[in-house]
Parts: sequence; C-alpha cells; structure tokens
Amino acid sequence: GQNIDQPTEMTATEGAIVQINCTYQTSGFNGLFWYQQHAGEAPTFLSYNVLDGLEEKGRFSSFLSRSKGYSYLLLKELQMKDSASYLCAVKDSNYQLIWGAGTKLIIKP
Amino acid sequence: NAGVTQTPKFRVLKTGQSMTLLCAQDMNHEYMYWYRQDPGMGLRLIHYSVGEGTTAKGEVPDGYNVSRLKKQNFLLGLESAAPSQTSVYFCASSLQGSGANVLTFGAGSRLTVL
Repeated sequence: GQNIDQPTEMTATEGAIVQINCTYQTSGFNGLFWYQQHAGEAPTFLSYNVLDGLEEKGRFSSFLSRSKGYSYLLLKELQMKDSASYLCAVKDSNYQLIWGAGTKLIIKP
Repeated sequence: NAGVTQTPKFRVLKTGQSMTLLCAQDMNHEYMYWYRQDPGMGLRLIHYSVGEGTTAKGEVPDGYNVSRLKKQNFLLGLESAAPSQTSVYFCASSLQGSGANVLTFGAGSRLTVL
C-alpha cells in the first residue's frame, strides 16, 4: 500500500530552527508537496520538490531524496505564527496526491 | 479575488438526512476536488473533476455524489448521512493535474451527523 509518515507533533522555541521529516512509500513518484495548515483553516501551499536537493524560499526550505523516499521541511528563525500543522503529500504514478496525517508544530516563547 | 468559497461552513444533520455542499472558484481552474479531513489521518480524496461536465471517484467515494455542471462550481451531495461522515470537508481547485499543480483550498465545511 501507499504510505506517508510524519511525526505527529513537534515542539520548538521561538527563534530556533526545526526540521520536519517525511518518509514515503508510493507507487511511483511525480513530486512532493508541503502545505501549512493553521488550526481551523485551509491548507496553504509552501513548497514543491520533484528533483533531489534543497529548495529554499525565505525562512522555509524543503529537501528531497528520491532514492531514500525522504523529504524534510526546514523552518528557520521560528515565529509564533509558524505554530500550525505541516502536511506532506506525494503525487503518485497516477498523479494522485497521497497525504500524510500532518505534523503539529508547537512554538514556545 | 475570492479564490475558493465553500458553503455552508457548519452543518449538523441527523442520520438519514441529505444535504449538498457547494464549492465555487473564480480562478478559472480546470480541476476541482472534494476531500475529507479526519483527526489523525491525511486528507482523503472523495471525488474530483478534471473539467466541466466530468467527475471521477477518489479514494473514499461511497455515500457521496458530485456534480460539475458549471466550470466554477463543484457540488458534493450526501444522500443519506451517516455518523461516519462526520468530518471536515475541503474543496480545492487547481489549474491542471500534472506537474507542480498547486491546490487552492476553500475554508472548509464542518459537518456533524448525529
């Protein structure tokens, strides 16, 4: 079966750096997405990786290793507003998105 | 620019009742999707549409029907609601299906079935 694994919850301190991991086993691979979802709100797009390596976008970076079935989202200079769930999703060989359950990130002052 | 609008935002139903969730997008997107989100689980695709007049089943289609009569609207119907359909429902749209097609989500509709 297809599977996306992410930690359920992580805690970090304001101003620090946190890395949220995502491992996947899917039938084929056509890209990996990270979305942010604040409590009670809609998911919003953060990043997309289709080739191996690091994509940087301001305070957020996303890394992909297709051979390892692994990605991480790196958040730098954490702010209180970064408290949210972070969803990892992989597009399989049929171009269907398979979603992880999300990682709830709690930022403490 | 409203993006994706879902109505209603909240609804309580009794078992066996029917209802329709409406999704409207003003971005001229071809693809539209209905997902459900339950605690501890990833988003699960119910039905989707690749264009006006088309619909297709997703991962969990049983108990739901959809229609896409106009490009901008995607309706999700529950014919006979069951407690297992208590969930938060998200509509999303995208310009296309392949590549880095970013989904734009609506604000969600929280449905409780008693």
